[in-house]
Amino acid sequence: QKEVEQNSGPLSVPEGAIASLNCTYSDRVSQSFFWYRQYSGKSPELIMSIYSNGDKEDGRFTAQLNKASQYVSLLIRDSQPSDSATYLCAVNMATVGASGSARQLTFGSGTQLTVLP
Amino acid sequence: NAGVMQNPRHLVRRRGQEARLRCSPVKGHSHVYWYRQLPEEGLKFMVYLQKENIIDESGMPKERFSAEFPKEGPSILRIQQVVRGDSAAYFCASSPLPRDTYNSPLHFGNGTRLTVT
Repeated sequence: QKEVEQNSGPLSVPEGAIASLNCTYSDRVSQSFFWYRQYSGKSPELIMSIYSNGDKEDGRFTAQLNKASQYVSLLIRDSQPSDSATYLCAVNMATVGASGSARQLTFGSGTQLTVLP
Repeated sequence: NAGVMQNPRHLVRRRGQEARLRCSPVKGHSHVYWYRQLPEEGLKFMVYLQKENIIDESGMPKERFSAEFPKEGPSILRIQQVVRGDSAAYFCASSPLPRDTYNSPLHFGNGTRLTVT
């Protein structure tokens, strides 16, 4: 089982629609969750952070977290062609490092979103 | 304020050569993280360093890869005897606090795209 799982897509939505991106994770004690957007050939850029159960809204973006179900999602309202990118879910998860247990940011493989004009 | 700076942006090496990737953290940050992104995949954690110390190298391949973060100068990711499978984008991030007390997201540099011919 992958530690952070996302549907790879591609996901296509028409301009103006709501895009829904989903992510599940395996570490029950994770406390920090992030969504990154990555345009082709570019570095990932942070678009949302969420730490508590429920919804967090920022402009057209809403992140939703359900720790009991180990599920985090991202909704993009009024999707624009400029939103076309790969969206990466990232979770602060335990690793076993040289000095014992540590926590590192673990990424899903990303969901490719295309917004059609 | 300058963010994380990586160089070179693009690096081409022939099989068997050495690749050296450099990362200058945000000024005042003493913790550095290296991630690798293979084509069409998410970011994979490689190594976490504090100045003059490797804290967590649980994601580093056992052979040919090494990393350092000296007291002065940038962090270096070194790949000896490169093979085609090393072709990837390598991203670096930094933080002001240790990872186990720092739940904030990481902000990445522009990355180094390594191509092995």
